[in-house]
Amino acid sequence: NAGVTQTPKFQVLKTGQSMTLQCAQDMNHEYMSWYRQDPGMGLRLIHYSVGAGITDQGEVPNGYNVSRSTTEDFPLRLLSAAPSQTSVYFCASTPGTSGLYEQYFGPGTRLTVT
Amino acid sequence: AQKVTQAQTEISVVEKEDVTLDCVYETRDTTYYLFWYKQPPSGELVFLIRRNSFDEQNEISGRYSWNFQKSTSSFNFTITASQVVDSAVYFCALRGGSQGNLIFGKGTKLSVKP
Repeated sequence: NAGVTQTPKFQVLKTGQSMTLQCAQDMNHEYMSWYRQDPGMGLRLIHYSVGAGITDQGEVPNGYNVSRSTTEDFPLRLLSAAPSQTSVYFCASTPGTSGLYEQYFGPGTRLTVT
Repeated sequence: AQKVTQAQTEISVVEKEDVTLDCVYETRDTTYYLFWYKQPPSGELVFLIRRNSFDEQNEISGRYSWNFQKSTSSFNFTITASQVVDSAVYFCALRGGSQGNLIFGKGTKLSVKP
C-alpha cells in the first residue's frame, strides 16, 4: 500500500512550457484534490474530484487543468507555465466528503518556472 | 465563508520552553472538523489531530495538547517542553461537514533552539 504518490519530486520549466504533474493513490479513495503551497500563504485548493469523471474548481484554478478517468489517478496539467506557478504542489485523497475521514497527502512536487 | 487565521507567522523558543500556537476559525456550518498538520523541513505534511465541532474536550498526546473552544472559535495547540525536533511549520485547517477539502491557515513557523 503506497498511499498517495506524486511524480516528479522536482521540476524546472521554462515560461510557456506545458507539463503534467502525476498523482496516484491505491486506497480506492473517491475524493482527490490538488493544493499549491506558497510561502506565507498556506495551502490553497486548485482543483478537486469527487469521483472518476467528475472534477471541479477550487480557489486558484486558473492555468491548470485536471481530469479523472480512473479512481486511482488525478493528474494536474499546466497548460502554459508562468513564473507565478512556481510553487510546491500537493495531491491529497480521502475516502469521501465526511470530515471523519483523514486526508492523505502525497510528498509534494516542487516546481520552478523560469 | 470559511476562514482559518493563524496570526503568529513565526515563533522562536529555546528548548524545554512551552509554546502555544493559535488558530482561529470562521464557519457557518454547524458540523465541521478542525485539523492540525506539521510540516517538518523535509516538506511532507504530517497529520497531528482531528476534532469535530461536537467534541469540545481537550486532548493530550504526550507533549502535545489541543484546546478547542467554540465560544471563541479557537483551536489552539500547545507543545510542552519543546524539543529541537518540533521545529517545523504548523498548519491549522478546517473542513466543513459535507466537504472533502480543507481550508488551511497560513501556517506558523516554529523554531526551537537548543
